[in-house]
Amino acid sequence: KAGVTQTPRYLIKTRGQQVTLSCSPISGHRSVSWYQQTPGQGLQFLFEYFSETQRNKGNFPGRFSGRQFSNSRSEMNVSTLELGDSALYLCASSLGHSLGTEAFFGQGTRLTVV
Amino acid sequence: SQQGEEDPQALSIQEGENATMNCSYKTSINNLQWYRQNSGRGLVHLILIRSNEREKHSGRLRVTLDTSKKSSSLLITASRAADTASYFCATDSGGYQKVTFGTGTKLQVIP
Repeated sequence: KAGVTQTPRYLIKTRGQQVTLSCSPISGHRSVSWYQQTPGQGLQFLFEYFSETQRNKGNFPGRFSGRQFSNSRSEMNVSTLELGDSALYLCASSLGHSLGTEAFFGQGTRLTVV
Repeated sequence: SQQGEEDPQALSIQEGENATMNCSYKTSINNLQWYRQNSGRGLVHLILIRSNEREKHSGRLRVTLDTSKKSSSLLITASRAADTASYFCATDSGGYQKVTFGTGTKLQVIP
């Protein structure tokens, strides 16, 4: 079956703009999590959605938001982009809210803010 | 903030040798997972070990978990050049599907 698909793969935006990233989970998976990866901070948890509800949120400013649709596809939005938002954004899907569920990651969207 | 810290930060070995990476974490967990990441791409799930397990094997991978020391190790036996990647441990402390990653070990296997 198809894996986790993230679009776009690469993106260059200007400071102050906003951006929307998309993640299509594996078919049947209802949980989608988002992570930001930078050389300095490593992998940081952004938020997690299950059945269209945000269940958990990491320590990021309100400029970072997300949502999940009824087909489990998820989007994350970053408004008023800053240079420090340049990062690889990864999404992961899993079956659901059961402990010890394996998460499958997409290839990521590399965002560069100039 | 990082829940886990991997040690060493970087490791360089010859092909055929074994590679051992360690992960220490801070709070109690339900399970711990190891992932591999090739050169800034997506993460690939390697193995999951639950808190009531002490050791798990998958092919050339062996993972141990010591909950009393809050640590885990990943052993890759008979390493290959294709094993060159960054390896992360990730902990699930229960509740929702939030997985917290460690800082990673960068492994280089020299042919």
